[in-house]
Amino acid sequence: EAQVTQNPRYLITVTGKKLTVTCSQNMNHEYMSWYRQDPGLGLRQIYYSMNVEVTDKGDVPEGYKVSRKEKRNFPLILESPSPNQTSLYFCASSRGSYNEQFFGPGTRLTVL
Amino acid sequence: KQEVTQIPAALSVPEGENLVLNCSFTDSAIYNLQWFRQDPGKGLTSLLLIQSSQREQTSGRLNASLDKSSGRSTLYIAASQPGDSATYLCAVRLSGGTSYGKLTFGQGTILTVHP
Repeated sequence: EAQVTQNPRYLITVTGKKLTVTCSQNMNHEYMSWYRQDPGLGLRQIYYSMNVEVTDKGDVPEGYKVSRKEKRNFPLILESPSPNQTSLYFCASSRGSYNEQFFGPGTRLTVL
Repeated sequence: KQEVTQIPAALSVPEGENLVLNCSFTDSAIYNLQWFRQDPGKGLTSLLLIQSSQREQTSGRLNASLDKSSGRSTLYIAASQPGDSATYLCAVRLSGGTSYGKLTFGQGTILTVHP
């Protein structure tokens, strides 16, 4: 089944404790992206990647890092999480940057 | 800066009604527009993608139209069912520039279809 998977689905952590949210797609897509969803602010892009080893900032990149060492994986790294990063995170992928995007199931992160 | 607005914010209808969800965007230089549905606690499911050169797209009971010059799209749902209850999101993708595939989302319309 073609899909985008994220892990973990739920995470509660404390301020400053580094964490990684994994994202993997099995559709051989070149484009991958991370979004966060917050009440009243909607979905906003954090980072995107147009291909392996090619990443760039979205609208709200502060406090996040990404890497794209393999085509299928695009992990989101929070080096020192803070409470304002409490949010619902979505990974998405598409064949190319202008094609239909498919989303993962989301990761609900709480930073205490 | 592209802004996307969806009206109404919430809609409650009886089963069987035909309904229209509206989406407007401020920058008409879009490459395409994508409609999603989001169920509580779940991810986004892509419903329809309309290219800027298209006027409409259909999938089953769903029909999406696009009027790029006026900055509007509508999602028409025919013969609504309780299973259609979800949040519907509209997202646009600008053409050119440095946006590279970024989707700009509206706030969504929360749809409730009651039996």
